[in-house]
Amino acid sequence: EIVLTQSPGTLSLSPGERATLSCRASPSISSSYLAWYQQKPGQAPRLLIYGASSRATGIPDRFSGSGSGTEFTLTISRLEPEDFAVFYCQQYDSSPGTFGQGTKVEIK
Amino acid sequence: QVQLQESGPGLVKPSETLSLTCTVSGGSISGYYWSWIRQSPGKGLEWIGHISYRGSANYNPSLKSRITISGDTSKNQFSLQLSSVTAADTAVYYCARHGHFCGGDCYFDYWGQGTQVTVSS
Repeated sequence: EIVLTQSPGTLSLSPGERATLSCRASPSISSSYLAWYQQKPGQAPRLLIYGASSRATGIPDRFSGSGSGTEFTLTISRLEPEDFAVFYCQQYDSSPGTFGQGTKVEIK
Repeated sequence: QVQLQESGPGLVKPSETLSLTCTVSGGSISGYYWSWIRQSPGKGLEWIGHISYRGSANYNPSLKSRITISGDTSKNQFSLQLSSVTAADTAVYYCARHGHFCGGDCYFDYWGQGTQVTVSS
């Protein structure tokens, strides 16, 4: 199965700053079948990005995804107070689909 | 707006069978794939298995011998049974819908709120 490794484990930033989250796949993902989710305490994950770079319905354009192969990135251009949460990547290139261990974006 | 709601016992005894149901409202289960996913502090998010609108199922190999996922289109529900549970099966269990134009291997665009299941005597 494909293992996804996210970094950093925790990102401490202030509102208005730019957040860059990394997701590394091993082995590589042959397509762009990678998604990103946001999860807040006590809530289910919420789909942000699919197909590595397509925003889900209703997701603000400050969220963007990029990458291919083994390296993928989620960028939040300017952090809003409601953006602080845990973010997960997920690959659906091959079964079983797998998730990364998460990156927590916390208020500095 | 599609909504999913998990239901079932919150406490299951070791060696028994965990049974959960996901009720879908605001849309039909026909035409989509549906998954069960669980989340625990030790293992993070783990895909358990899915069922298609045609009723065919696919399971995570790590759990395959213990899982049954079935659907009931008349009730707009699908269900999970996990047998021979141990403490390692303690987790929050989510049901989720696969994205549109997407088959068995897919992202998840709608999720239930999740239900905590604890395995303990």
